[in-house]
Amino acid sequence: GQSLEQPSEVTAVEGAIVQINCTYQTSGFYGLSWYQQHDGGAPTFLSYNALDGLEETGRFSSFLSRSDSYGYLLLQELQMKDSASYFCAVNQAGTALIFGKGTTLSVSS
Amino acid sequence: DSGVTQTPKHLITATGQRVTLRCSPRSGDLSVYWYQQSLDQGLQFLIQYYNGEERAKGNILERFSAQQFPDLHSELNLSSLELGDSALYFCASSPRLEGRNTGELFFGEGSRLTVL
Repeated sequence: GQSLEQPSEVTAVEGAIVQINCTYQTSGFYGLSWYQQHDGGAPTFLSYNALDGLEETGRFSSFLSRSDSYGYLLLQELQMKDSASYFCAVNQAGTALIFGKGTTLSVSS
Repeated sequence: DSGVTQTPKHLITATGQRVTLRCSPRSGDLSVYWYQQSLDQGLQFLIQYYNGEERAKGNILERFSAQQFPDLHSELNLSSLELGDSALYFCASSPRLEGRNTGELFFGEGSRLTVL
């Protein structure tokens, strides 16, 4: 089977930096994806790491360590609109993306 | 707009009933996925189809079934509905099989099912 662990909630203030961690246990691992979901809306793709290291896309960055089965999403210069749920998801052989339970990020002014 | 269309957006029905949810993937996408999201829960993978054939199964109940038609649209059938089946049901599509793409799925806006 597979499992993913990420914190259930994170709070921060506008302009701050926040890191959302994700650890996983799986087999046939291809990569780790991150998705954002605003309340009740469609999940939207943020980033994907297939190799170790940091991927940067604007204010968001994602990191993967395959040897540690660990990744994180880094959000910089937080804005109120970043308040949402963030999901890590493993891309693995033989099945579709498997998602973690999500981290609710609350950004306050 | 992801290009994935789901209908209906909202559905209210009674226990024991049967419903069908419909999904049209992005133009050209061959893979369709169904996910269930209950209150405060993550996205639970149900089933995947690729070009009309079932490719992977997740935690899909025997009361649930799905298919993908030649025009690539998909339907998820939920029968003998129970209160616990109340959830958001998302359809997603991607151009290729998992493991050979960029880990990106395109999600529809979901169908919210309420079972009373």
